[in-house]
Amino acid sequence: GQNIDQPTEMTATEGAIVQINCTYQTSGFNGLFWYQQHAGEAPTFLSYNVLDGLEEKGRFSSFLSRSKGYSYLLLKELQMKDSASYLCAVRRGNDYKLSFGAGTTVTVRA
Amino acid sequence: GAVVSQHPSWVICKSGTSVKIECRSLDFQATTMFWYRQFPKQSLMLMATSNEGSKATYEQGVEKDKFLINHASLTLSTLTVTSAHPEDSSFYICSASYTPGELFFGEGSRLTVL
Repeated sequence: GQNIDQPTEMTATEGAIVQINCTYQTSGFNGLFWYQQHAGEAPTFLSYNVLDGLEEKGRFSSFLSRSKGYSYLLLKELQMKDSASYLCAVRRGNDYKLSFGAGTTVTVRA
Repeated sequence: GAVVSQHPSWVICKSGTSVKIECRSLDFQATTMFWYRQFPKQSLMLMATSNEGSKATYEQGVEKDKFLINHASLTLSTLTVTSAHPEDSSFYICSASYTPGELFFGEGSRLTVL
């Protein structure tokens, strides 16, 4: 099995920065994904890391350390529309399927 | 990005009836599709992997006779919840991929069983 842990909730103010951590334990690790999910909607893809380091995409960045089984998603210049659940997901081996963490609900306040 | 369409978005049914949910990849061929279930404020739980032209692979604890999956073509997979009961009420989401790893999700189907 795979243990994927991320905080349940985080709150931040508009314009601020928030970092969502994700730790995982799995054999055959082959990539970590971050998805955004607004309430009542399906998840949308944010980022993908398979090698160590930082991937930057506009206001969102994702970091991976394979030796530590650790990733974070960094959201900068927070906007109200960023209020959502953020899901960390791990790919194992050559599977197409992913295993998801429980999600972190981020609330952005004015 | 690739588009996955799911239908219906909302369905309400009586206990004991069966409900079919469709998942279509609109602009790519998906040999593999996945069906997830999500309870409120919980994560996505993989139910089964749907393979075109063959039987679905179910995750442990998921009743294959309860949740029938058919993947008749490269662009369509269906999930049928048979003899639905209130405990089957949930958000069902399908996903598909044409490259390993990156999943494209359907809009989700919210099932309410009365």
